[in-house]
Amino acid sequence: SQTIHQWPATLVQPVGSPLSLECTVEGTSNPNLYWYRQAAGRGLQLLFYSVGIGQISSEVPQNLSASRPQDRQFILSSKKLLLSDSGFYLCACGDWSSGNTIYFGEGSWLTVV
Amino acid sequence: AQSVTQLDSQVPVFEEAPVELRCNYSSSVSVYLFWYVQYPNQGLQLLLKYLSGSTLVKGINGFEAEFNKSQTSFHLRKPSVHISDTAEYFCAVRVQGGSEKLVFGKGTKLTVNP
Repeated sequence: SQTIHQWPATLVQPVGSPLSLECTVEGTSNPNLYWYRQAAGRGLQLLFYSVGIGQISSEVPQNLSASRPQDRQFILSSKKLLLSDSGFYLCACGDWSSGNTIYFGEGSWLTVV
Repeated sequence: AQSVTQLDSQVPVFEEAPVELRCNYSSSVSVYLFWYVQYPNQGLQLLLKYLSGSTLVKGINGFEAEFNKSQTSFHLRKPSVHISDTAEYFCAVRVQGGSEKLVFGKGTKLTVNP
């Protein structure tokens, strides 16, 4: 079965600083990868998804970006963080051809101060 | 585009009582439906999913859900809840044969009181 690793688990960053959250997946190949953000009372917001290396679809215009340098690696970045970027970030992995399920990592808490 | 509405943001119940968490979706085409559970400060865990076939789907931890196409609903139920069921529950939808996106509702916080 698939295992998703996210790090760091917790991050406190000042406004205007850069961000890099990393997600790696084990136990599958050529997965679909997703970044979601969870803010209080707003459910899960899909930020980016990727169906292959170098292929990124952006769902929400913002100061975040995503990259997929390797098949099982997905990175969420920002050049300059805003207070509104605070939240719980979840990486997810899915393979619709086998099981039609997506699996989530344990999440990364980002607090922008 | 598909969307999901979870009608109750918070549901308080007493231990051993039955519970129903409501979910309605909007889509012009056939969909796959999912329920996930999130315990505090953790990721999401799949409870159950409807892909096709029987409209009554059984999942983990004694939960079940029924797909109702005419009412575009996928309500989650459990006949007797435990304290350990306290968590946030998310309904999600994906369009069949279409986008790779899984769209979530805003979640329902279930609190089970002794």
